[in-house]
Amino acid sequence: KAGVTQTPRYLIKTRGQQVTLSCSPISGHRSVSWYQQTPGQGLQFLFEYFSETQRNKGNFPGRFSGRQFSNSRSEMNVSTLELGDSALYLCASSSLAGTTDTQYFGPGTRLTVL
Amino acid sequence: AQSVTQLGSHVSVSEGALVLLRCNYSSSVPPYLFWYVQYPNQGLQLLLKYTTGATLVKGINGFEAEFKKSETSFHLTKPSAHMSDAAEYFCAVSETPNNAGNMLTFGGGTRLMVKP
Repeated sequence: KAGVTQTPRYLIKTRGQQVTLSCSPISGHRSVSWYQQTPGQGLQFLFEYFSETQRNKGNFPGRFSGRQFSNSRSEMNVSTLELGDSALYLCASSSLAGTTDTQYFGPGTRLTVL
Repeated sequence: AQSVTQLGSHVSVSEGALVLLRCNYSSSVPPYLFWYVQYPNQGLQLLLKYTTGATLVKGINGFEAEFKKSETSFHLTKPSAHMSDAAEYFCAVSETPNNAGNMLTFGGGTRLMVKP
């Protein structure tokens, strides 16, 4: 099975712009989660989608949003980019979205905001 | 909310030496615990996980971890370090906010360096 794929792998944007990141989960997986990784804050949970519904959201401002499509692919959007949004954004998928399920991570999208 | 603490942001060992990476958690409910490894410019790869049952969990690449409820710990060990083990390691606890879904809370990570 192909793993979790994320596109693009690298992005450079300027402050005030918006960006959309894409994630394709492992075939058959219905849950997709997003995490932000920065040197200062570490790995932080952004949100989780299951069957096109956002089930959980982390402590991030409303500029961060996401969605999931019927084929389980997910996108996250960040509007009005700030310098502090520079980070590695990781997507993870799991089959059932239960507490014991393993989340499988993609390679990430590295976003640089100038 | 649950939390995870990894003692030691950097650990250095010699090749062939024992690897011990520490993880302590706080949880009001039985925890489900994970160890992930991240190589440079890559995502996270699962090493092992504890859900229920045997408290000594074996993972990939010769790693294992022992769940100790009395110590709220889930330390990762490997008897003999290889150069290829150099990476960053993350301990995580899984929780189900609002009784639905799956959210991982990560520790701060430990960068393992292996000296020849």
